[in-house]
Amino acid sequence: EAGVAQSPRYKIIEKRQSVAFWCNPISGHATLYWYQQILGQGPKLLIQFQNNGVVDDSQLPKDRFSAERLKGVDSTLKIQPAKLEDSAVYLCASSFDGVPGELFFGEGSRLTVL
Amino acid sequence: SQQGEEDPQALSIQEGENATMNCSYKTSINNLQWYRQNSGRGLVHLILIRSNEREKHSGRLRVTLDTSKKSSSLLITASRAADTASYFCATGGGYQKVTFGIGTKLQVIP
Repeated sequence: EAGVAQSPRYKIIEKRQSVAFWCNPISGHATLYWYQQILGQGPKLLIQFQNNGVVDDSQLPKDRFSAERLKGVDSTLKIQPAKLEDSAVYLCASSFDGVPGELFFGEGSRLTVL
Repeated sequence: SQQGEEDPQALSIQEGENATMNCSYKTSINNLQWYRQNSGRGLVHLILIRSNEREKHSGRLRVTLDTSKKSSSLLITASRAADTASYFCATGGGYQKVTFGIGTKLQVIP
């Protein structure tokens, strides 16, 4: 079974530029998560989708971050404009629908903002 | 906001010793999960314990849950160098948001 795919793995941009990350979850997983993990810290939930709907986006900085889930499958996380403090690893994960079970994580996208 | 808080934040032990890390959380839960993260990689699920369970085993892992104290512990027995990683507890799931703690960084010295 293919795992969660993320791209790009690494991205370096200047502050005020924009960046987009892509995630393809495991086939059949209805729930998709985006986490931000700053070096040395635990993952912070940015947004959680259930199919096309949003379960939680309370910690998503909506003035600069946006996320969408296309047809309940792939998802894109965009940052515009980027700030220095956005430097982090952006982790995508997916899980089965409605079952409190394990999350399957991708390898992450490491963003460096200069 | 982080729901869980792991303790200690860093732990260094010799190979063959046992490693114990703790997690405290703030609100009532349906289940609690533990994950491992190797440096530069994504998180990998280790074990899930439900709120009506007190203890669960998986190989060299033993997890306990005390809902009255809102705490859980993860014990890794007979540690190996390959166990060197960060360990996180997580709460939530299903139709609830899943939040992670700050993690315990474990170093196992060969």
